[in-house]
Amino acid sequence: GQQLNQSPQSMFIQEGEDVSMNCTSSSIFNTWLWYKQEPGEGPVLLIALYKAGELTSNGRLTAQFGITRKDSFLNISASIPSDVGIYFCAGQRYMNYGGSQGNLIFGKGTKLSVKP
Amino acid sequence: NAGVTQTPKFQVLKTGQSMTLQCAQDMNHEYMSWYRQDPGMGLRLIHYSVGAGITDQGEVPNGYNVSRSTTEDFPLRLLSAAPSQTSVYFCASSYGQGASYTFGSGTRLTVV
Repeated sequence: GQQLNQSPQSMFIQEGEDVSMNCTSSSIFNTWLWYKQEPGEGPVLLIALYKAGELTSNGRLTAQFGITRKDSFLNISASIPSDVGIYFCAGQRYMNYGGSQGNLIFGKGTKLSVKP
Repeated sequence: NAGVTQTPKFQVLKTGQSMTLQCAQDMNHEYMSWYRQDPGMGLRLIHYSVGAGITDQGEVPNGYNVSRSTTEDFPLRLLSAAPSQTSVYFCASSYGQGASYTFGSGTRLTVV
């Protein structure tokens, strides 16, 4: 099935460092979403992107919808201990499709650890 | 506003037992879905529903059944539990199939 390649798989960083992760695909996507999952909880939406080239911020988080529509990036500036968790990208290829290809596709996640 | 509520939070089953994982949302969302999360595998879609009375299979549907008789509820049934179904299960909902999903807090299932 369709896959999103998310990298890196894991990151161990020092508090205060900036973080960058990305998601790529061989196919064009119409929507890119970024989620964060904390231990014992479900994923929570961080940022949603709907247009190629779109750059959106949410506090210290910034995400971009790649111009080619085949990738997306998430940056976290000045990391803090509560940034710990698994970050997932998700994309949708076909809007309002109604069939299986209208579902969101998820990357395998980037596990972020922050040392105080 | 409760959002997406999943019950139970934890469950241990014996091989061959059946059970239903409950999912309810109070946001009047048309779209609901079930995922399983296994280490290193990300989130894999089991079944989904684009509205009451309509369900379809996702990536890993074998061993699971769903029905959608109301907008609010989307239960997931394990017919005959197997150790391979040990996983964390998440229910999600949204106002549209490709819109941002709201997830429940998950059900951790162990099959022994």
